[in-house]
Amino acid sequence: GQSLEQPSEVTAVEGAIVQINCTYQTSGFYGLSWYQQHDGGAPTFLSYNALDGLEETGRFSSFLSRSDSYGYLLLQELQMKDSASYFCAVRPPSNTDKLIFGTGTRLQVFP
Amino acid sequence: GAGVSQTPSNKVTEKGKYVELRCDPISGHTALYWYRQSLGQGPEFLIYFQGTGAADDSGLPNDRFFAVRPEGSVSTLKIQRTERGDSAVYLCASSPGAADYGYTFGSGTRLTVV
Repeated sequence: GQSLEQPSEVTAVEGAIVQINCTYQTSGFYGLSWYQQHDGGAPTFLSYNALDGLEETGRFSSFLSRSDSYGYLLLQELQMKDSASYFCAVRPPSNTDKLIFGTGTRLQVFP
Repeated sequence: GAGVSQTPSNKVTEKGKYVELRCDPISGHTALYWYRQSLGQGPEFLIYFQGTGAADDSGLPNDRFFAVRPEGSVSTLKIQRTERGDSAVYLCASSPGAADYGYTFGSGTRLTVV
């Protein structure tokens, strides 16, 4: 089965850099995705790592290491609007297109 | 439409009643997914459709839950004999291809069973 663990909460100040970790116990998967969700809003897709390494999209970067069963989302130049919950997700290695989501990390950015 | 539309946005129902939740996906998206999210948790997979057929319904918790997508566009999630434990936000998402490359989620239907 799949299990993805994230820290429940992270705090930081505007302009800082923050890393949100995702550790997993799974027999395999196709890649690691990240979603952002503001309170009361819909989850929105941020990034996808199909291969090990770093993917950069503007202020956000995502990293995957299959050998370490570990990934992270890096947010730079934090802004107040980045306060939200962040979820990692994987697609399990079977003939299905569903995603398994992590427990979620609530990021609070302070001025 | 430009996004995934879900109606109603909020639904309060009495225990034991039947409810229907509607999802209108992005035009042209062949894949449609239903998830359920409880407070403070990540979305939990229920079912997904590829076209009109349910490709994977392994996440439906029991036979009180059923979903259809008769014409390959709009989908309806149906819950019979609702229980208080069914209270959650029900999210619908659609995608043009594989899940890895990103779903577009709707804003969800908040279901409260009293």
